[in-house]
Amino acid sequence: AQSVSQHNHHVILSEAASLELGCNYSYGGTVNLFWYVQYPGQHLQLLLKYFSGDPLVKGIKGFEAEFIKSKFSFNLRKPSVQWSDTAEYFCAVNDAGGTSYGKLTFGQGTILTVHP
Amino acid sequence: GAVVSQHPSWVICKSGTSVKIECRSLDFQATTMFWYRQFPKQSLMLMATSNEGSKATYEQGVEKDKFLINHASLTLSTLTVTSAHPEDSSFYICSATGTVTYEQYFGPGTRLTVT
Repeated sequence: AQSVSQHNHHVILSEAASLELGCNYSYGGTVNLFWYVQYPGQHLQLLLKYFSGDPLVKGIKGFEAEFIKSKFSFNLRKPSVQWSDTAEYFCAVNDAGGTSYGKLTFGQGTILTVHP
Repeated sequence: GAVVSQHPSWVICKSGTSVKIECRSLDFQATTMFWYRQFPKQSLMLMATSNEGSKATYEQGVEKDKFLINHASLTLSTLTVTSAHPEDSSFYICSATGTVTYEQYFGPGTRLTVT
């Protein structure tokens, strides 16, 4: 079975600070990797995804993530956060093949608070 | 595009009653829909996967007779919580995929409170 671990429950930053949110997964097979964001009062939205190829993927709103296979990690980064990035961020994985294709396993979520 | 709606957005019911939650894909045909449950300050836990026209597949530990899922059309799936109890109080979220099954679009969620 897959599992996803996000290292920080709550991160507090000032505007313009750099962000890195950790995500590690446990699974022996090939996975697809995702970061979702949930702004206050809104539904989950896809920030970025990795399937194959360049392990550095770029998403919306200036976010990027790097897949390091040897470390089973998919950390989310942004060089300079804004107040509007205040939200909860979820890392998720799914099996890239087999009968469980499409089913997402989520991490615990990280709440990011950005102070102006 | 790729909008998923849920109805109702919140519901309060008495213990022992049943509650139906609808999940609709508004601008695409959803071949697969997923139902999640989210407890306060916790992650989303997958409850079941439903494919249009077939029986839902439930995750281990989820009571299929308590959480009835119907996916009768390519745009609608329903989750019925039968004989609800206070411990069923939670935030229920659905997601839907089209032909590209790794791309899930999430609904806004339904807050269920059982008194």
